[in-house]
Amino acid sequence: SQTIHQWPATLVQPVGSPLSLECTVEGTSNPNLYWYRQAAGRGLQLLFYSVGIGQISSEVPQNLSASRPQDRQFILSSKKLLLSDSGFYLCAWSPGHPAGDTQYFGPGTRLTVL
Amino acid sequence: AQTVTQSQPEMSVQEAETVTLSCTYDTSESDYYLFWYKQPPSRQMILVIRQEAYKQQNATENRFSVNFQKAAKSFSLKISDSQLGDAAMYFCAYRKDSNYQLIWGAGTKLIIKP
Repeated sequence: SQTIHQWPATLVQPVGSPLSLECTVEGTSNPNLYWYRQAAGRGLQLLFYSVGIGQISSEVPQNLSASRPQDRQFILSSKKLLLSDSGFYLCAWSPGHPAGDTQYFGPGTRLTVL
Repeated sequence: AQTVTQSQPEMSVQEAETVTLSCTYDTSESDYYLFWYKQPPSRQMILVIRQEAYKQQNATENRFSVNFQKAAKSFSLKISDSQLGDAAMYFCAYRKDSNYQLIWGAGTKLIIKP
């Protein structure tokens, strides 16, 4: 069966510091991968999605970036964090081929920027 | 643009009773997918049920069932025999057949009274 991991689970960072959040998927190949952010009490905002290694689509312009160095690894980064980057970050995957409609989520990372 | 509306910010139900959560959406597409996700206090997003628009039969997963009214663009979730573990935020989501992006509702907080 497929599993999705995220780490760290919790992170407290000062403003202006760099960020790296990692997401890995096991038990499948060629998944579509997604990064979402959720502010407290709100719905999900899609940040990035990827349909293959090195292929990243950005949905929201911001100081965050994403990379996919391996088939089942998705990384969310920032060079300098802002206070507004605080939130809950969720990684998700869906089957790539044939086109999969259902997204499955990881446990999330709670980021606090001080 | 597609939109998803959940008009009930909060619902409460007595344990063992039945509750229905509402969701409406706006689209001009004929082929699409609809989902209900549950987000408990742990904040991990868990798939509850999915519905393909081309299927007239309503999806069912154990105590969870949907009432899909395509013409009315309505997709409500019925939870039967409510249990304390059902307490969570419930999100309705829409995915166009040819697009990777999920469009999310704002969520409904479900409270289970013992």
